[in-house]
Amino acid sequence: GNSVTQMEGPVTLSEEAFLTINCTYTATGYPSLFWYVQYPGEGLQLLLKATKADDKGSNKGFEATYRKETTSFHLEKGSVQVSDSAVYFCALSDLGGNKLVFGAGTILRVKS
Amino acid sequence: KAGVTQTPRYLIKTRGQQVTLSCSPISGHRSVSWYQQTPGQGLQFLFEYFSETQRNKGNFPGRFSGRQFSNSRSEMNVSTLELGDSALYLCASSLQVTGELFFGEGSRLTVL
Repeated sequence: GNSVTQMEGPVTLSEEAFLTINCTYTATGYPSLFWYVQYPGEGLQLLLKATKADDKGSNKGFEATYRKETTSFHLEKGSVQVSDSAVYFCALSDLGGNKLVFGAGTILRVKS
Repeated sequence: KAGVTQTPRYLIKTRGQQVTLSCSPISGHRSVSWYQQTPGQGLQFLFEYFSETQRNKGNFPGRFSGRQFSNSRSEMNVSTLELGDSALYLCASSLQVTGELFFGEGSRLTVL
């Protein structure tokens, strides 16, 4: 079945460092891909999405490109802030609807 | 605009009891999805309702059920609770069937 694999955390970075969180997926067809973020004590929020190959999703300085050839959707940010500390989830849309398959999540800790 | 509201936020039950969780979606959203979040299994899809009809169902036993009312509010019920049902139950609403979900803060269930 469909699945999402994320790099294990926690990832600890200093402020202004470059961030990459790897995400690869297994799916039949061409799913939509998402990054959701969960800040401490809050519900998940959609960070960005991409619906077809070579699409780049971006939001709040974060970017991810839908790579069909490598079945990847890696999350990047050029300069992280302490406020970016959260859990990041990669997900795919199973059958194109609202049934999402999530990765295990990656904890990001940013130190000042 | 009010977000997704889940009640109760915390509850403690004992094995064998049943529980009902409630979710009020964002005004105008007709799709409501439920997810279970645990440290071991991560985020897992339970079911999705759209205009009072169940569109999708995850791989959970029949003890887990849900429904949606004409005002789009949704409830999920877990009967004959087991220790392994202890989890954060997240509700998400969506305007369309695109995978762009708006999550509530969750109902944290502890089964003793």
